[in-house]
Amino acid sequence: EAGVTQFPSHSVIEKGQTVTLRCDPISGHDNLYWYRRVMGKEIKFLLHFVKESKQDESGMPNNRFLAERTGGTYSTLKVQPAELEDSGVYFCASSQESISYNEQFFGPGTRLTVL
Amino acid sequence: RKEVEQDPGPFNVPEGATVAFNCTYSNSASQSFFWYRQDCRKEPKLLMSVYSSGNEDGRFTAQLNRASQYISLLIRDSKLSDSATYLCVVNPPRIKAAGNKLTFGGGTRVLVKP
Repeated sequence: EAGVTQFPSHSVIEKGQTVTLRCDPISGHDNLYWYRRVMGKEIKFLLHFVKESKQDESGMPNNRFLAERTGGTYSTLKVQPAELEDSGVYFCASSQESISYNEQFFGPGTRLTVL
Repeated sequence: RKEVEQDPGPFNVPEGATVAFNCTYSNSASQSFFWYRQDCRKEPKLLMSVYSSGNEDGRFTAQLNRASQYISLLIRDSKLSDSATYLCVVNPPRIKAAGNKLTFGGGTRVLVKP
């Protein structure tokens, strides 16, 4: 079974540009999460989808970040315009629907560098 | 204060030795606790869940102390392949019916040397 996939694996852009990250969760997983790790800091939660609905977006840093999950399958995270402090590794994770905790499976991450 | 705190290490461990390290968490109402392993430039992977009664998985033993709000991981008979960063992860109290957002510590780096 395929794991969580993310595209691109690396992205280097200039400040002010736009970047869109994509995540394909494990098939059948209703829960999809975005996390990020900026240099020297711990991995932090950004937001959580249940199917196509945003369940929790309390971790989104500001309105330059827009996440979508149309149709409840893959998700995109757009940063517009990108700032230097957005550099880091963006992880996507997915899990099955459950009222109790289910293991979250992480993708390999997208390494974003804003110059 | 960080929600989950870990000693960043590195812990330099001779092959075959035992190593143990802790993490502390600030929210006493936290529900679930885990250790994840992360290899260099790779994604985090679940190593084991942590239960109040303590649990063991092969050479790995995890303990949870709710009273003191800390979690521990012990690795026995360390292998070279155990070299990695170990992330302490906490599932905070749910605000909504669903939602399992994870709170990560900064990680403890372990280097096992021959």
